[in-house]
Amino acid sequence: GAVVSQHPSWVICKSGTSVKIECRSLDFQATTMFWYRQFPKQSLMLMATSNEGSKATYEQGVEKDKFLINHASLTLSTLTVTSAHPEDSSFYICSARDQREGYNEQFFGPGTRLTVL
Amino acid sequence: GQNIDQPTEMTATEGAIVQINCTYQTSGFNGLFWYQQHAGEAPTFLSYNVLDGLEEKGRFSSFLSRSKGYSYLLLKELQMKDSASYLCAVMDSNYQLIWGAGTKLIIKP
Repeated sequence: GAVVSQHPSWVICKSGTSVKIECRSLDFQATTMFWYRQFPKQSLMLMATSNEGSKATYEQGVEKDKFLINHASLTLSTLTVTSAHPEDSSFYICSARDQREGYNEQFFGPGTRLTVL
Repeated sequence: GQNIDQPTEMTATEGAIVQINCTYQTSGFNGLFWYQQHAGEAPTFLSYNVLDGLEEKGRFSSFLSRSKGYSYLLLKELQMKDSASYLCAVMDSNYQLIWGAGTKLIIKP
């Protein structure tokens, strides 16, 4: 099956710093990638849809200036949490859609656990 | 609005069978997915149904009725490792996944 990697797996940072998370599709091209956030014991929450070569589409309530998304190639999307604060501590998961004809499955990365002190 | 409903929590016994239901109301339909998520990990794909009927894959089966907006995930011969959250998600007409809140399945010996 298709593989999606995420880096780093976990990160601890001080309040006010910026953190970049990378999401890569390793064996397929993904024109669309998705960024999710999941707080403990809660469901996945879609933050934004990242389209290669264009601006990301953010869900209502997600600050686009705080969560910067770049999808510069068909295999890489990055999420930068700018000026992180303790309330941004969460599990961030990316997924990439394999859009070969007739195939709509989303493949998830292993997630990045962010802790902001 | 779009809505996915599934039970919050279910408990079952090791070796038994459990059925997790999911009902949905979405703008269009391009398939229904079931994912398994263990605590602290990302979801992993279990099944995909786009046509009515039952799809069987080992101990797991998934059923879909598009006319009723209904699906279920059936887990047989339950094992302790099956303790996890099970997420139902529907792909709408824009090919966006609409997620249910997940069903936490607790397996007891």
